[in-house]
Amino acid sequence: KNEVEQSPQNLTAQEGEFITINCSYSVGISALHWLQQHPGGGIVSLFMLSSGKKKHGRLIATINIQEKHSSLHITASHPRDSAVYICAVIPPGNQFYFGTGTSLTVIP
Amino acid sequence: NAGVMQNPRHLVRRRGQEARLRCSPMKGHSHVYWYRQLPEEGLKFMVYLQKENIIDESGMPKERFSAEFPKEGPSILRIQQVVRGDSAAYFCASSLLAASGSYTEAFFGQGTRLTVV
Repeated sequence: KNEVEQSPQNLTAQEGEFITINCSYSVGISALHWLQQHPGGGIVSLFMLSSGKKKHGRLIATINIQEKHSSLHITASHPRDSAVYICAVIPPGNQFYFGTGTSLTVIP
Repeated sequence: NAGVMQNPRHLVRRRGQEARLRCSPMKGHSHVYWYRQLPEEGLKFMVYLQKENIIDESGMPKERFSAEFPKEGPSILRIQQVVRGDSAAYFCASSLLAASGSYTEAFFGQGTRLTVV
């Protein structure tokens, strides 16, 4: 049983398209991270959320605590957005549970 | 303020050798998390430490793996008698301790890629 489910697993988009990645979780949480990982690269935290919505540039993240669901949106996608996006939830106790990731490829 | 520093970035070990992975948290951070990413798999939690104390090691394999976070110096993840199945990327993250004891934002390192030959 996975505490965190992400969809889709793989996503290919044309440059400029609006992209949505979804994350559902089954545990109570203190916070949720959206992470980005480029091939062979490190992990960067894009957002930490505990409620509502956050926006950084072309990236928007939302969370609905009651429905145990979060979404990551990318507006006007660009080839440099190509990466794996990982949802990570942090229950009380501070352990991390990770989704399996969404591999995004943006084609010029 | 440097971010979370992990070294080495790449480590090659022969079967049966020991691997020592180091993680220097961000300045002022007292909590360190280690997790592992096996090839073609997702990230898995291994251990959560504060200085001189292991808080949660429920994700650590029972044998050959150990972790510490001493009062001074980096956190160390130690793998004894490595086997091919230990080949993976090992990441750490660090965070502050909130006054309430609740979670504060973690910052992630670049990872150490261990290859066992």
